[in-house]
Amino acid sequence: GAVVSQHPSWVICKSGTSVKIECRSLDFQATTMFWYRQFPKQSLMLMATSNEGSKATYEQGVEKDKFLINHASLTLSTLTVTSAHPEDSSFYICSADTFEYFEYGYTFGSGTRLTVV
Amino acid sequence: AQSVAQPEDQVNVAEGNPLTVKCTYSVSGNPYLFWYVQYPNRGLQFLLKYITGDNLVKGSYGFEAEFNKSQTSFHLKKPSALVSDSALYFCAVRDGAAGNKLTFGGGTRVLVKP
Repeated sequence: GAVVSQHPSWVICKSGTSVKIECRSLDFQATTMFWYRQFPKQSLMLMATSNEGSKATYEQGVEKDKFLINHASLTLSTLTVTSAHPEDSSFYICSADTFEYFEYGYTFGSGTRLTVV
Repeated sequence: AQSVAQPEDQVNVAEGNPLTVKCTYSVSGNPYLFWYVQYPNRGLQFLLKYITGDNLVKGSYGFEAEFNKSQTSFHLKKPSALVSDSALYFCAVRDGAAGNKLTFGGGTRVLVKP
């Protein structure tokens, strides 16, 4: 089946620095990638939808200048948290729309635990 | 707008007993419905989905779910729960008439006691 490789699994950074999270599709082409944020013991909140070669579409309330999404190729989408602050600490998960390839529809990365100190 | 509700934050069940996790949804078009399971600090694992066809859907690890259009429900069930089923379960919906975004319910924590 499809695999989305998400790295890093966890990262600790200092306030004010930037952190990049990568999601790679290993055996298919990911035209569309979704980025979610999950707070402890809470649900997944969609942050943005990225389509290869075009600008990401951000959900209401998500700062596009703070959460930079790049989807420059069909196998790589990145989320950069710029000028990170402790309130950005969260679990970030990417997901690819794989309806075209696999009957289960969506393929999720394993998530990135971001801690900003 | 599409939405999903999971009315129970937590479900406790004894090992070997039936497990039910509830989910109701709201969409404008035809629903694509999904169940996922999440273990701590991990991504989501697909359990099953409904798009069309039989209302009773069988999925991974002995789970099944029944699509009920009149009640707009898609409850997850397992006849005999295992301790290893203890995890966080998410119901999700995609509106077949409104793009490919997936909306998640709030999640239900399942605790199976030995």
